[in-house]
Amino acid sequence: NAGVTQTPKFRVLKTGQSMTLLCAQDMNHEYMYWYRQDPGMGLRLIHYSVGEGTTAKGEVPDGYNVSRLKKQNFLLGLESAAPSQTSVYFCASSYAGQFTDTQYFGPGTRLTVL
Amino acid sequence: AQSVAQPEDQVNVAEGNPLTVKCTYSVSGNPYLFWYVQYPNRGLQFLLKYITGDNLVKGSYGFEAEFNKSQTSFHLKKPSALVSDSALYFCAVIAITGGANNLFFGTGTRLTVIP
Repeated sequence: NAGVTQTPKFRVLKTGQSMTLLCAQDMNHEYMYWYRQDPGMGLRLIHYSVGEGTTAKGEVPDGYNVSRLKKQNFLLGLESAAPSQTSVYFCASSYAGQFTDTQYFGPGTRLTVL
Repeated sequence: AQSVAQPEDQVNVAEGNPLTVKCTYSVSGNPYLFWYVQYPNRGLQFLLKYITGDNLVKGSYGFEAEFNKSQTSFHLKKPSALVSDSALYFCAVIAITGGANNLFFGTGTRLTVIP
C-alpha cells in the first residue's frame, strides 16, 4: 500500500494564479482532511470530507475549495493564490470519523506564492 | 477557548536519559488527546491517543503518555531516549466548535537527543 500520497511535492505560484493539490489514499478510508502547517502555529484544518461527495469547512477554509468526487481522492483548490497561502499542505485520511480515529498523513506539498 | 498548548518549543536530552514533552489542554467535557511525531520532510505519524480508560497510554516506539485530569495535562514520556527520537512532536485535542468535532494541534515541540 502506498498509503496517502500528495501531488505535487513543491510548487511556486504567482499571486492570482490558481492550482489544485491532489491527495490520494489506497486504504479505503471514509474520512479525508486538508491541513496547512505554518511556522509556530502547528497544523490547522482547512476542509475535510466524511465520505464521497461530501465536504465540510474546518478552522481556516477561506480562499480554498475542495472536492471529493471519488472516495480515494480529495482535491484542494486555490482559485486566486495569495502570499498568505504560502505554507506546507498536508493531506490525511482516517477509517472512521469525528476525528477520534487515527489519521494517516501524506508527505506534504510545499507551496510558495510570490 | 478550547485549545491545546505545548509550553516548550525545544527540548534537549542526552541519549539514554528519560524524556518528557509537555502538553496541556483546555476543552469542554471529556478530552480526546493525541500525540503525533513529524520527522524532517515527512508527514505526521501517529504515536498514541487517549480516549477513555487507563490514564497511562502506551504507544509506538516505546513512548507513553499520562493523562492527568486534575492538571489538564497529557505529557509524552520515554524512559530512555534514542538519537533517532529527534523530531518534531505535536499534541492534539478534539474539541467541539460550531456544533461539530474538530482536531486542534499544538504548535509543536522540537526534541533533540544528544549522543
